[in-house]
Amino acid sequence: QSVLTQPPSVSGAPGQRVTISCTGSSSNMGAGYDVHWYQQIPGTAPKLLLYSNTNRPSGVPDRFSGSNSGILASLTITGLQAEDEADYYCQSYDSSLSGSVFGGGTYLTVL
Amino acid sequence: EVQLLESGGGLVQPGGFLRLSCAASGFTFNNYALSWVRQAPGKGLEWVSSISGSAGSTYYADSVRGRFTISRDNSKNTLYLQMYSLTADDTAVYYCAKPVVEPKHSTAWYSYNWFDPWGPGTLVTVSS
Repeated sequence: QSVLTQPPSVSGAPGQRVTISCTGSSSNMGAGYDVHWYQQIPGTAPKLLLYSNTNRPSGVPDRFSGSNSGILASLTITGLQAEDEADYYCQSYDSSLSGSVFGGGTYLTVL
Repeated sequence: EVQLLESGGGLVQPGGFLRLSCAASGFTFNNYALSWVRQAPGKGLEWVSSISGSAGSTYYADSVRGRFTISRDNSKNTLYLQMYSLTADDTAVYYCAKPVVEPKHSTAWYSYNWFDPWGPGTLVTVSS
């Protein structure tokens, strides 16, 4: 049971838009701690996708965007491409647990 | 370019001990915190432990506190994770990752950090 809740899977056709949600609580996102997102292609290490809710590191396409409101954060991917098929994880800090916490991950299937 | 490379994983019996290492390059090692994050087979990511650049502050997940010890040798640019009393639940790929934080949060890095980059990971299997 992950502290941050994500849907196990989402899917979309090439070119479409998908949104992955990440729901927290008053001890993490609701307390104002930022949310960060990672992409993990099976068999490889996670890669930073978004930091501090909405910021893209250099090299991440602007097809990836994020939002955060209270205890709900979202990752939106537009113009889906086959290479986007991967697991996506949200991460924040939890003051009750005194540590970083992750969502359970969402697998994106590009149909 | 920042690079992290883990080593030391392998098969260990329940109750056993293992020490993981993470060799770092591409940045001024003693200026930055480092962390361990693990991923059980087919499961999600779990933060394990973090250590400040000076090694003056260490942090642990409840699941490993008292059994795992994080440390670093700043003269060797190497991070360590000593794991005692291992159980099957500790079976996972262990990643070394570099916490990053915006300057405005530098004094509270531990609460605002994200992880970038990550090493390729090393597999720890606890089994008899």
